[in-house]
Amino acid sequence: SQTIHQWPATLVQPVGSPLSLECTVEGTSNPNLYWYRQAAGRGLQLLFYSVGIGQISSEVPQNLSASRPQDRQFILSSKKLLLSDSGFYLCAWRTENTEAFFGQGTRLTVV
Amino acid sequence: AQTVTQSQPEMSVQEAETVTLSCTYDTSESDYYLFWYKQPPSRQMILVIRQEAYKQQNATENRFSVNFQKAAKSFSLKISDSQLGDAAMYFCAYRSPYSGGGADGLTFGKGTHLIIQP
Repeated sequence: SQTIHQWPATLVQPVGSPLSLECTVEGTSNPNLYWYRQAAGRGLQLLFYSVGIGQISSEVPQNLSASRPQDRQFILSSKKLLLSDSGFYLCAWRTENTEAFFGQGTRLTVV
Repeated sequence: AQTVTQSQPEMSVQEAETVTLSCTYDTSESDYYLFWYKQPPSRQMILVIRQEAYKQQNATENRFSVNFQKAAKSFSLKISDSQLGDAAMYFCAYRSPYSGGGADGLTFGKGTHLIIQP
């Protein structure tokens, strides 16, 4: 069966520090991968998606970037965090014929 | 661009009763997918039910069913025999069938907080 791992679960980082959140998927090949952010009291906003290794599409301009070094690995990064980057980040995957499956999320607090 | 609107920030229902959560959406596409996701306090997003726009029959999953009105662009979720474990945020979501070009991800509503009264 397919599983998705996302870590860390919680992260507190100072303003200006770098960020690296990692997501890996098991049990499937060539999935579409996604990073979403959920601000307090809001729905999820799509940040990045990837349809293959090295292929990244950004939905909103921001302080973050994403990379896909391997087929089932998706990384969300920042060189210098801003206070406004705080939020709950969710990784998700799907294939052509499935709905999206989500990881357990990362609570990021920038202080 | 597609938009999804959930007009009920919060709903409350007595245990064992039935509750309906509303969702409307705006799109110019004729074929698409609609979803209801549940987000319990653990924050993990869990799929509740999905509906393909080309199917006229409303989807059902045990105590969960939808009322899909394509012409009205309405997609409500009915929860029957509400249980304490149903308490969560519920999100309505839309997805285009096309891959790439910015249309590949889910567009979410802002969510409805469902409270179950024992």
